[in-house]
Amino acid sequence: DAMVIQNPRYQVTQFGKPVTLSCSQTLNHNVMYWYQQKSSQAPKLLFHYYDKDFNNEADTPDNFQSRRPNTSFCFLDIRSPGLGDAAMYLCATSRNLAGGIDTQYFGPGTRLTVL
Amino acid sequence: AQSVAQPEDQVNVAEGNPLTVKCTYSVSGNPYLFWYVQYPNRGLQFLLKYITGDNLVKGSYGFEAEFNKSQTSFHLKKPSALVSDSALYFCAVSAASGGSYIPTFGRGTSLIVHP
Repeated sequence: DAMVIQNPRYQVTQFGKPVTLSCSQTLNHNVMYWYQQKSSQAPKLLFHYYDKDFNNEADTPDNFQSRRPNTSFCFLDIRSPGLGDAAMYLCATSRNLAGGIDTQYFGPGTRLTVL
Repeated sequence: AQSVAQPEDQVNVAEGNPLTVKCTYSVSGNPYLFWYVQYPNRGLQFLLKYITGDNLVKGSYGFEAEFNKSQTSFHLKKPSALVSDSALYFCAVSAASGGSYIPTFGRGTSLIVHP
């Protein structure tokens, strides 16, 4: 089945130790997103790729970086995780419609714990 | 800037009764409207969308929503609630033109269906 896959599902890291979360998709969608979600709140967009174009949200900390080496894969790098970065990280994909965005397909998420 | 309001943090309904989860939006231009559901420790799952056409949209698991342009609303409804419908529901809007193609999410509504 076509889907969005995130690895790992659970990640434990130490304060200040870099961590990388991965996302892959078999949907061949041109738009990919990374969201941070805390405590049943609305997902907060960190950045997105529209094809190869990287778009950073204005309030995304510099501590967060992303890479998209090809259409299928996208990575979220947290350079120096702090306790406040503990959250669920969601990857999503979509295709664009005429001027807009179609349905987003979400991965199962990676729950990050920072000790 | 576009926005979504979900005025209720929580909706309680008895199993078998109809349910409504409210959503209103503000956007420049024509809206694309979506409902997603999230179960604990999972990613968001698509329920239904309005892009164009009939104002009444039918989606997964017996849910439906009505696009009301004059009231800028897109309330989610189901004629008969199930305990298994208990989850977190998010409304989202993106703009077909004149606004942001990136979806904006509401803060979410927790639906609790009592046996």
